Amino acid sequence: DAKTTQPPSMDCAEGRAANLPCNHSTISGNEYVYWYRQIHSQGPQYIIHGLKNNETNEMASLIITEDRKSSTLILPHATLRDTAVYYCIVRVADSWGKLQFGAGTQVVVTP
Amino acid sequence: GAVVSQHPSRVICKSGTSVKIECRSLDFQATTMFWYRQFPKQSLMLMATSNEGSKATYEQGVEKDKFLINHASLTLSTLTVTSAHPEDSSFYICSASADRDVQPQHFGDGTRLSIL
Repeated sequence: DAKTTQPPSMDCAEGRAANLPCNHSTISGNEYVYWYRQIHSQGPQYIIHGLKNNETNEMASLIITEDRKSSTLILPHATLRDTAVYYCIVRVADSWGKLQFGAGTQVVVTP
Repeated sequence: GAVVSQHPSRVICKSGTSVKIECRSLDFQATTMFWYRQFPKQSLMLMATSNEGSKATYEQGVEKDKFLINHASLTLSTLTVTSAHPEDSSFYICSASADRDVQPQHFGDGTRLSIL
């Protein structure tokens, strides 16, 4: 599976949009982009995933560039409860579902 | 959303004890379950993949005789840490997926294992 690169940390003001970048320049055509987050001392929480089209759900939006080499997770109105480590992962469908977690981005939402 | 329950949430026991951790998918049938380990300030590391009714597949460097995995039904997988030692102290997390393709994994809340 392709590797991803994320900034190690980001700060965000409460109520503002948080834009989390992820580079996956070696992504192949059948690899999906998944986003998870992990709040301290809890299991990861699934946020969203996509292949090439932009996706939106009740938690966030996922914007994937046309060349698919990078993506951005958007939390539209960050709250203090969004403070967590955010992981961007790419994986191949039909790969037995394996997820390889990188270091992720520590997002701190401040009042 | 999909719910995965993990039990117990915390275990403290003496060195040499075997510890069993349960992972249940509460509202879907999990054809595949995964076990991860996370040391402090580190990311999750995949330990093994288990499919219902078959032997688990372990990642390189994970001792299969040390970490016994049983996936006896579509809703339950167990991880047994045999003869645990202090270096096995860690945060163990399971996840489950309804299929191996696109559907996302859903994670339990983890088990904090402390071996004295």
